[in-house]
Amino acid sequence: GAVVSQHPSWVICKSGTSVKIECRSLDFQATTMFWYRQFPKQSLMLMATSNEGSKATYEQGVEKDKFLINHASLTLSTLTVTSAHPEDSSFYICSAPEVAGDGYEQYFGPGTRLTVT
Amino acid sequence: AQSVTQPDIHITVSEGASLELRCNYSYGATPYLFWYVQSPGQGLQLLLKYFSGDTLVQGIKGFEAEFKRSQSSFNLRKPSVHWSDAAEYFCAVGAQAAGNKLTFGGGTRVLVKP
Repeated sequence: GAVVSQHPSWVICKSGTSVKIECRSLDFQATTMFWYRQFPKQSLMLMATSNEGSKATYEQGVEKDKFLINHASLTLSTLTVTSAHPEDSSFYICSAPEVAGDGYEQYFGPGTRLTVT
Repeated sequence: AQSVTQPDIHITVSEGASLELRCNYSYGATPYLFWYVQSPGQGLQLLLKYFSGDTLVQGIKGFEAEFKRSQSSFNLRKPSVHWSDAAEYFCAVGAQAAGNKLTFGGGTRVLVKP
């Protein structure tokens, strides 16, 4: 099956700094990618849809100026957490859809654990 | 808008016993339905998916799920659980009309007793 990678797998940063997380589709092209956030013992919440060649679409309540998304190519999307604060500490997961039979399948990255101190 | 409900937050089951995890969805048309499993600190692994056709879907690790349109449900079952099945299970719904994005249920944590 298709593979999606994320880098880094974990990162610790100081409050006020910015952190960039990369999401790559390794063996397929993705015009759309999705970014999710997962707090401990909770479900995944969709943050935004990353669109290649155009602006990202953010879900209600997600600050677009804080979570900058850039879909630089058909295989790469980046999420930058700007001026990070401890409450931004979370598990960030990306996914990319690919057509499969009558529908599509989402391929998930392994996730990036962000800890802001 | 699409939504997913997993009524059971925790389920404890004895090893070798059967397991059923409930999932109810809300969507105007026929959705795409998925079950994922997540071990602590890990990413998501797809167990099975339903797009169309046969409403009983077989997945990996001995899991199966049945789509029941009349009940808006997509329950996951396994006849005999193994200790390695202890994990968090998420049901998700998506649709091409919704831009292929997934909406997840709250998850069910499965504990397996020896």
